[in-house]
Amino acid sequence: NAGVTQTPKFQVLKTGQSMTLQCAQDMNHEYMSWYRQDPGMGLRLIHYSVGAGITDQGEVPNGYNVSRSTTEDFPLRLLSAAPSQTSVYFCASTRDIVWGGTEAFFGQGTRLTVV
Amino acid sequence: AQTVTQSQPEMSVQEAETVTLSCTYDTSESDYYLFWYKQPPSRQMILVIRQEAYKQQNATENRFSVNFQKAAKSFSLKISDSQLGDAAMYFCAYTGTASKLTFGTGTRLQVTL
Repeated sequence: NAGVTQTPKFQVLKTGQSMTLQCAQDMNHEYMSWYRQDPGMGLRLIHYSVGAGITDQGEVPNGYNVSRSTTEDFPLRLLSAAPSQTSVYFCASTRDIVWGGTEAFFGQGTRLTVV
Repeated sequence: AQTVTQSQPEMSVQEAETVTLSCTYDTSESDYYLFWYKQPPSRQMILVIRQEAYKQQNATENRFSVNFQKAAKSFSLKISDSQLGDAAMYFCAYTGTASKLTFGTGTRLQVTL
C-alpha cells in the first residue's frame, strides 16, 4: 500500500516553462487536494477535488490548473511558471467523513524552484 | 471563512521537560475536526493527534495531549517528556468537511539537551 505518491521530489524551472506535478493515491479516497508551503505562511490550499470530475479552487489558485479524471490521480499543472511559484507543494488525500475519514494523508512534497 | 492562528513562531524545550504549543481558530461551523501535524526536516507531514469538536474529552496519544476549549476556540498541544526526535515544525489545522484543511503558520520546536 503506497498511500500518496507525489512526483517529482525536486524540480527547477525557468520562468515561462510549464510542468505537471503528479499525484496518485491507492486508498480509494474521495477527496484530494494540493497545498503550497511557503516560509512563515503554513500550507495554503491551491485546488481540491471531492471526486472524479469535480474540482474547485482553494485559497491561492491563480497560475495553476487541475483535473480529476480518475479517483486515483490528481495532477497539478503550472501553465507558465513564475518566480512567485517557488515553493514546496504537497498533495493530500482524505476519505469522506461519511465513511469515517478525517485524517489527510500527504505525499512527500515537491520542492519547486523557478528561476 | 475559517482561520487558524499559531502565535508562537518558535519554541524551545529541554529534553524530558514539557512544552505547550498554542493554537486558536475561528469558525461558524458547529461540527469540525482539529489536528496537530508534525513536519520534521524530512518534510513529511505526520499526524500527531486529532480532536473531534463534538467530543468534550481531550484527545491523548502517548506523550501528546491536547487542551480543547471549544467556547474559547482554543486547541493547544502538550508534549510531555520531550525527546530529541520531537524537534520539528508543528502545524495546527482545521477541517469542517475533510475535503480541505486550513493550517496555521506553524511553530518550530527546538529540543535541547
